[in-house]
Amino acid sequence: EDQVTQSPEALRLQEGESSSLNCSYTVSGLRGLFWYRQDPGKGPEFLFTLYSAGEEKEKERLKATLTKKESFLHITAPKPEDSATYLCAVQAGYGGSQGNLIFGKGTKLSVKP
Amino acid sequence: KAGVTQTPRYLIKTRGQQVTLSCSPISGHRSVSWYQQTPGQGLQFLFEYFSETQRNKGNFPGRFSGRQFSNSRSEMNVSTLELGDSALYLCASSLEPDNSPLHFGNGTRLTVT
Repeated sequence: EDQVTQSPEALRLQEGESSSLNCSYTVSGLRGLFWYRQDPGKGPEFLFTLYSAGEEKEKERLKATLTKKESFLHITAPKPEDSATYLCAVQAGYGGSQGNLIFGKGTKLSVKP
Repeated sequence: KAGVTQTPRYLIKTRGQQVTLSCSPISGHRSVSWYQQTPGQGLQFLFEYFSETQRNKGNFPGRFSGRQFSNSRSEMNVSTLELGDSALYLCASSLEPDNSPLHFGNGTRLTVT
């Protein structure tokens, strides 16, 4: 069964304290892995797409990496405005499209000033 | 450019009633997907539409249905509401089904009493 597991469930950091969020997946033929950010009361906001092992994408303080079994979202010197729930999702290869994603349950990040 | 618009934002219904939720995609986007988000299960895929045709359907009972119109706007309907249908219903649009990321609306919060 296709599955996405994110850890930790919650993470509290001090401003400037770098860390990483993990997304491990089991899927039959990965076609793409996606990271989203979700703020309270809002829909998920697209961050990155990764397609193959070894690929990396960066945006401001965030960097996403991909291996054959997991993805990491590295947060460098976070600020309070980075506080949000970060969601990982995969597109399966058996007929899944980018509209049909399998999501993890997310990591809730809190950054204290 | 306007984002994905979902109406209404909040809805309270009674068990046994039916409900229709509406989604207007980003201008030019032809693919629309629907997800249910609950604290226990996270985001779960409901259905995906492209050019008025349902491309994929998630593992939900037949009480959940949807459709897409020629202007790409979409509606989803839930009949015979159950308490467990209380959730945030998210609509997402993309340019094409397979090669562009999802952009989510802020959802409709449905409460069933």
